[in-house]
Amino acid sequence: ETGVTQSPTHLIKTRGQQVTLRCSSQSGHNTVSWYQQALGQGPQFIFQYYREEENGRGNFPPRFSGLQFPNYSSELNVNALELDDSALYLCASSPTVWRGQETQYFGPGTRLLVL
Amino acid sequence: GENVEQHPSTLSVQEGDSAVIKCTYSDSASNYFPWYKQELGKGPQLIIDIRSNVGEKKDQRIAVTLNKTAKHFSLHITETQPEDSAVYFCAARTTGNQFYFGTGTSLTVIP
Repeated sequence: ETGVTQSPTHLIKTRGQQVTLRCSSQSGHNTVSWYQQALGQGPQFIFQYYREEENGRGNFPPRFSGLQFPNYSSELNVNALELDDSALYLCASSPTVWRGQETQYFGPGTRLLVL
Repeated sequence: GENVEQHPSTLSVQEGDSAVIKCTYSDSASNYFPWYKQELGKGPQLIIDIRSNVGEKKDQRIAVTLNKTAKHFSLHITETQPEDSAVYFCAARTTGNQFYFGTGTSLTVIP
């Protein structure tokens, strides 16, 4: 177990709706990254938060947004859901962004199905 | 941006044999290369990693090699066991602290 938890474990939404996914980092970690993993694919980087600020973003539209709280837990929000958003959403925490301490530890993921 | 390619996509080996998975990356500035094992219904689990100033690293039956000049790195699993069956992902970390993953290798160890 990595100590990274995510909620909910599964979620079903319809097209056009909005969803919020949550992640609790491993104790002592101030950096959280979010990934989208489609079936049979590798994780795709969405964005990263370091000390409550966005610290990099992958090739995802603005309807994917996030937050990091003072206790370093994090949320991923997706607006105007599309069918292609159906995927496993993974959260990964790391001690910091600095070289030598950037190892990421993943949570179990949230499986989102958009109908 | 970084592009990580991983081969093969599927691999079957007899129990006790070795398994090798290879990855290439495009960004010469990438400096950290972790390998993850993902079992069905679970998040990826870190199994070994290597930094760009090291050529090889070993942890019991698992080893990783890195060739910075050729921009490729490999995972070696020796004396494979049925519990090694899973999907394995390689990844590369760029200078922006972003991680790019390969497309995965489904390893099956046949008892």
